[in-house]
Amino acid sequence: QKEVEQDPGPLSVPEGAIVSLNCTYSNSAFQYFMWYRQYSRKGPELLMYTYSSGNKEDGRFTAQVDKSSKYISLFIRDSQPSDSATYLCAMSPGNTGFQKLVFGTGTRLLVSP
Amino acid sequence: NAGVTQTPKFQVLKTGQSMTLQCAQDMNHEYMSWYRQDPGMGLRLIHYSVGAGITDQGEVPNGYNVSRSTTEDFPLRLLSAAPSQTSVYFCASSSTDRGNSPLHFGNGTRLTVT
Repeated sequence: QKEVEQDPGPLSVPEGAIVSLNCTYSNSAFQYFMWYRQYSRKGPELLMYTYSSGNKEDGRFTAQVDKSSKYISLFIRDSQPSDSATYLCAMSPGNTGFQKLVFGTGTRLLVSP
Repeated sequence: NAGVTQTPKFQVLKTGQSMTLQCAQDMNHEYMSWYRQDPGMGLRLIHYSVGAGITDQGEVPNGYNVSRSTTEDFPLRLLSAAPSQTSVYFCASSSTDRGNSPLHFGNGTRLTVT
């Protein structure tokens, strides 16, 4: 069983929809939780990160962490065609921070005009 | 602002050939790492380095060597390529301020081993 599970999609939504992307994990030592966006033929770029539990909002993006359920989510409001990409969740134990990340397989999102 | 630069972008090797994937960063980051990305497997850590002269193994190190002689460069060597090493390879860097320094990724090297 993988430490981090993520539905590969693809997830297809119309422009303007609210998108929910999720990951589950098994390692209770994870403390840093991140979401990366990856466009085709490009490297991943960091969208948001949270430390420990709680919510974090940045513009149209909201990240949530529920450590009791070992479940993290990324919500995208008012989705745009430019949001079409693969979204990767990543996490690591508290003593390694952003280093030695464990990634999910990624969810491919398609936002149609 | 170059960030993390990987060369080459594409490479085709025959089984048994050797090659070096280059990675350079201009952000004075102490931490550098190599990941491979395969369908259905996600990104997996191959090797990493927390500073010049210091390297360590990640999750999938077999078949790969690294060295870190300068802060800027972190090459990945395949000594005898195998078809199982067909993948997209990403180099990433960050400062060692662990709590506030996300990984910056390059745009990858797409390697095919026939």
